[in-house]
Amino acid sequence: DAGVIQSPRHEVTEMGQEVTLRCKPISGHNSLFWYRQTMMRGLELLIYFNNNVPIDDSGMPEDRFSAKMPNASFSTLKIQPSEPRDSAVYFCASTLPGTKQFFGPGTRLTVL
Amino acid sequence: GESVGLHLPTLSVQEGDNSIINCAYSNSASDYFIWYKQESGKGPQFIIDIRSNMDKRQGQRVTVLLNKTVKHLSLQIAATQPGDSAVYFCAENIGGGYQKVTFGTGTKLQVIP
Repeated sequence: DAGVIQSPRHEVTEMGQEVTLRCKPISGHNSLFWYRQTMMRGLELLIYFNNNVPIDDSGMPEDRFSAKMPNASFSTLKIQPSEPRDSAVYFCASTLPGTKQFFGPGTRLTVL
Repeated sequence: GESVGLHLPTLSVQEGDNSIINCAYSNSASDYFIWYKQESGKGPQFIIDIRSNMDKRQGQRVTVLLNKTVKHLSLQIAATQPGDSAVYFCAENIGGGYQKVTFGTGTKLQVIP
């Protein structure tokens, strides 16, 4: 079975540009999570969805960040406009209720 | 200026020895606990989990111990191998259908061949 799929794996962009990160959860999983990992702050939960509905977005840093889940098999995390401090590895994870999360390989974002 | 990152505790273990990684969790209402392993350049990978109605659970070469009295979790790895070198995270969940999992800062395990 394919695990969580994320694209792109690496993204380099310039400050002010829009960045869109993509995630395909494991088929059948109904919860999806977006995390950000940096050396400074570790692994932070940004937002999570249950049955395609955003449940907790308290970790989203500011209005420049937005996330959508239009259907059960796809989610996006968008940063507009991007800033150098957004440089991090962004992980998507999916799960069934009350069970362990399965993480994707991550997208390494560099904002110049 | 020099950037200051999280200071990850590091555990250095000789190959073949047992490793014990400790974690203090914060929420006494947490009822589900998970250990993850993160190798360099990869996403966290599930190792083992335990629910609050248990105090010990064993997997293949790994054992998790839970002490709810002092809110402490430990991961024991038997016969540590070079492939065990990674950062290990504990995570807690308060359950009740709420899916949010809170991760600790992690411990770096270095296996000395």
